[in-house]
Amino acid sequence: DAKTTQPPSMDCAEGRAANLPCNHSTISGNEYVYWYRQIHSQGPQYIIHGLKNNETNEMASLIITEDRKSSTLILPHATLRDTAVYYCIVRVTGGGNKLTFGTGTQLKVEL
Amino acid sequence: SQTIHQWPATLVQPVGSPLSLECTVEGTSNPNLYWYRQAAGRGLQLLFYSVGIGQISSEVPQNLSASRPQDRQFILSSKKLLLSDSGFYLCAWSRSSTWGNTIYFGEGSWLTVV
Repeated sequence: DAKTTQPPSMDCAEGRAANLPCNHSTISGNEYVYWYRQIHSQGPQYIIHGLKNNETNEMASLIITEDRKSSTLILPHATLRDTAVYYCIVRVTGGGNKLTFGTGTQLKVEL
Repeated sequence: SQTIHQWPATLVQPVGSPLSLECTVEGTSNPNLYWYRQAAGRGLQLLFYSVGIGQISSEVPQNLSASRPQDRQFILSSKKLLLSDSGFYLCAWSRSSTWGNTIYFGEGSWLTVV
């Protein structure tokens, strides 16, 4: 399984863009990059995923480098409600479609 | 639309007592189902997953077991709880194909073993 490396914590001012990096240098060609977040005491929430192209949805944008060894999740206008632990996950192949979570990045959005 | 429900939301159980956490998914058929656990201050750990009725795969040896008696029902059990079983338990589901399917989580169940 490809492993991911994320900074343990980041701060962001409300209204500014939050850019959360993730390294996955051992990713395989058929593995997706997924992002989830977990607000304290709640179940993880799906944000976005991609294979090699950049992706955007109503929550965030995902930028994947051309060599696919790293990616960045962008929250364009962070709010206090975006304070959460953000997990970057590379998809395990086969085996019932599993996800393996690391320790993630604690994002704190402040006034 | 699809929904996932798990219960109870919180419970406090004495050491040595049995456990049963239930999870059901609505609005889809033949989903893949998962049980995760999150100990205090730790990341999520996959405990079990199932690709069909009666098909259970265990990721880590432990004091827990899982069963899937119906297509959209997943149960986490223990015969005798240990203090180390305390944690936040999450049920999750995904559509049943190999690639690119998102996993969706329930709201979780807080278990405190005393």
